Amino acid sequence: ETGVTQTPRHLVMGMTNKKSLKCEQHLGHNAMYWYKQSAKKPLELMFVYNFKEQTENNSVPSRFSPECPNSSHLFLHLHTLQPEDSALYLCASSQEGATGYYGYTFGSGTRLTVV
Amino acid sequence: EDQVTQSPEALRLQEGESSSLNCSYTVSGLRGLFWYRQDPGKGPEFLFTLYSAGEEKEKERLKATLTKKESFLHITAPKPEDSATYLCGRGSARQLTFGSGTQLTVLP
Repeated sequence: ETGVTQTPRHLVMGMTNKKSLKCEQHLGHNAMYWYKQSAKKPLELMFVYNFKEQTENNSVPSRFSPECPNSSHLFLHLHTLQPEDSALYLCASSQEGATGYYGYTFGSGTRLTVV
Repeated sequence: EDQVTQSPEALRLQEGESSSLNCSYTVSGLRGLFWYRQDPGKGPEFLFTLYSAGEEKEKERLKATLTKKESFLHITAPKPEDSATYLCGRGSARQLTFGSGTQLTVLP
């Protein structure tokens, strides 16, 4: 596999459930990101990891909990979500932990619906 | 604060009708201006990076240009397969900040 792979592609969960989103990159990058994309709104940066260390947390509610066990894998653990959390969640990776000069490579996203 | 504003929000063109999309951005601390294409239900796909005013890059029917305050994505003789949302992103030392995108529809 190449690029950035996200699973699952679609997820429906109740407000009391706990679930996790997974992201894996096969590009040798050392920075990974979670973005939230809601309809008609800009992509919102949620978390940034450089060399497995979290460097940004843009005031994200604690019901979202990221985990980066190594530079190739990134998880987003979800619990007690609200219906307004329904969105497309995108994972991205880049080289050297900077927007670069190289930009980001995105996965296809997980479409999350909270019922 | 990093800001990116894209216009128009939506654009409908006839096949072959050329046009331009606009992206204005916060100038301070810029480390690259990025254009992405996003198809429904998919992640953004990288198109171009521009670093300095006057720079231009081309790919098939698309050409991106950069001035000191704006970037333009010119679409020449578009085809229906060019229909997508085009995202502009502003790179800084900390992150990549995106605009809301322009939803382009090219009618046959």
